[in-house]
Amino acid sequence: GESVGLHLPTLSVQEGDNSIINCAYSNSASDYFIWYKQESGKGPQFIIDIRSNMDKRQGQRVTVLLNKTVKHLSLQIAATQPGDSAVYFCAERSGGGADGLTFGKGTHLIIQP
Amino acid sequence: ETGVTQTPRHLVMGMTNKKSLKCEQHLGHNAMYWYKQSAKKPLELMFVYNFKEQTENNSVPSRFSPECPNSSHLFLHLHTLQPEDSALYLCASSPRANSNYGYTFGSGTRLTVV
Repeated sequence: GESVGLHLPTLSVQEGDNSIINCAYSNSASDYFIWYKQESGKGPQFIIDIRSNMDKRQGQRVTVLLNKTVKHLSLQIAATQPGDSAVYFCAERSGGGADGLTFGKGTHLIIQP
Repeated sequence: ETGVTQTPRHLVMGMTNKKSLKCEQHLGHNAMYWYKQSAKKPLELMFVYNFKEQTENNSVPSRFSPECPNSSHLFLHLHTLQPEDSALYLCASSPRANSNYGYTFGSGTRLTVV
């Protein structure tokens, strides 16, 4: 079956460095991808999205890259700050008429001072 | 606040109790969702409502019963739950289902079944 997963459960980076969080997906019919951030005690918060007809999209300090050939998605966070500490999830929409997003397990980003 | 409000924030219930979770959104969205978030597992889609109509039930046990009286409100009625149902229950909304829009999530209800 289809699955969306993250390569690492925990990522530790130094404050000020760039962070890269990776995600693999298996459904080649997926046409829409989103990154969410979840802080402790809160619900997931939308960060950035990308449609399958694009391979890169930039936001404020964040960039999402999509490689459809290898079914890989990544989130790059520039100049990581303490407030970036959270669990990051990738999610996909299968595009086959199914409602609902499918989420990966999440990567816990830890910022070292 | 995100515009999606869930109540209560915390709930402890016995296995024979009946309780309800409430979700309300003021974003003008037409689709609403229930997700279950358990430790060390991905978010699991439970139900999808689009324009008040249920469009997806992701093989959820009948002890969970959703209700969507209008596009702004969503309930999850709970009865005879099991301890393994303890989890964070998240509500989300989007402009409409089956479309390329991100979801807006509430903060969730932390449910503990004893």
